[in-house]
Formats: sequence, C-alpha cells, structure tokens
Amino acid sequence: AQSVTQLDSQVPVFEEAPVELRCNYSSSVSVYLFWYVQYPNQGLQLLLKYLSGSTLVKGINGFEAEFNKSQTSFHLRKPSVHISDTAEYFCAGGAGNMLTFGGGTRLMVKP
Amino acid sequence: GAVVSQHPSRVICKSGTSVKIECRSLDFQATTMFWYRQFPKQSLMLMATSNEGSKATYEQGVEKDKFLINHASLTLSTLTVTSAHPEDSSFYICSAAGDSGANVLTFGAGSRLTVL
Repeated sequence: AQSVTQLDSQVPVFEEAPVELRCNYSSSVSVYLFWYVQYPNQGLQLLLKYLSGSTLVKGINGFEAEFNKSQTSFHLRKPSVHISDTAEYFCAGGAGNMLTFGGGTRLMVKP
Repeated sequence: GAVVSQHPSRVICKSGTSVKIECRSLDFQATTMFWYRQFPKQSLMLMATSNEGSKATYEQGVEKDKFLINHASLTLSTLTVTSAHPEDSSFYICSAAGDSGANVLTFGAGSRLTVL
C-alpha cells in the first residue's frame, strides 16, 4: 500500500532559526512528491514539487526539499523561518486520485 | 497560474437539509476534479474523483447517495451533502489538475460545513 509518513506532528522553532520537516514515502508511491502548506481555514498551497530531474528542489517562500531515493525521503528545509511560516505542512506523493498525503506537521514559529 | 475557486467558504445549516458546494477552475479546463474531507488536526482524505460528463468515482467507505457529485462542465464540479447531520460537519476541499499537467493539483480554499 502507498504511504507517506511525516515523522513529526508538531515542530516548534524560534524565529530566524533553521527548520527541517521530515517526510518519508513508501517505494510503492510513484515518485511525484509535493509539499503543501495550509494556513488556518484555507486550502492547500503548493510549496514545491519533485517530478524528475535535480534532486534539490527550490520552492516558494524560501523553502527547499531534497529527494533522496536511497532513504526514500523528501525532507523540507528552510534556513531561517519567520513568524508567518506558522502553518500546517503536508507532504504528498503520487498523482491524481493516487495522491497520498502524510499526516501533516504543524510548524510553530515562536518569537 | 491555475486558480480553483470554491464556494461557499463557510456554511451553517440545520440537520436534515442539503448543502451544495461548488468548485470552479477559473482559467483552465478540468476534466477531472477531486473532493477531499478534512477533520480537525488531520490530513486530507480523498472522497471521490469527479469526472466531467460521467459518474464520479467514490473511495471505499464514502456514501455516494450522501455525497452527490456532479461535474456538468469542464470548469465546474459540485458536491451536495444530502440530508446533512452533525457528523457531516467538516472541512471540504476540492482540487483540479491545472496548467502544470495532471501530476500537479491546484486546491480550492476549502468549505467549512457546520451542521447544527
């Protein structure tokens, strides 16, 4: 069965500190990988995607992620977070009706 | 870029009534749209795949008579929650494949349904 696992349900971090949100996928998930951000009472906004090519993917708002096939991981990173980055982050893999979401990670940026 | 509009953003209804939620692709045609349900502090659960001009495909455990989906045009899919009950209260989100191809979905802003 397909699965996408986000290892941390919550990640507290101080403003301007670096952050990494972890995501692992099962090998049965087709290797289209995404990170979405969800602000309260809103839909999902695409941060970045990996479809093919370079394993280091840069997205919006200063986020980047690295596709690591050997570790089946697609961790999201930002070198310096802002208060405005506080939100729920979802890792997803697959496409169309086969898109599988991780459980989400709540990033809480503290002043 | 691709934009998906969802309406209404919030709706409150009485138990037993039906509620319709619209999902529109504003600047592209979407032959396929997806409907999800999200409970508080949880991830998205795919409910059904909406296909233009044909019947929707429902995920296991989703009642098709409860959640009616109509995809009558290439830019509009609707989800009707029939005879709503408090347990149907949830956040409903739609998505569609946009300009980047079928592998990248654009999501609507979601609709918060509260059934009293």
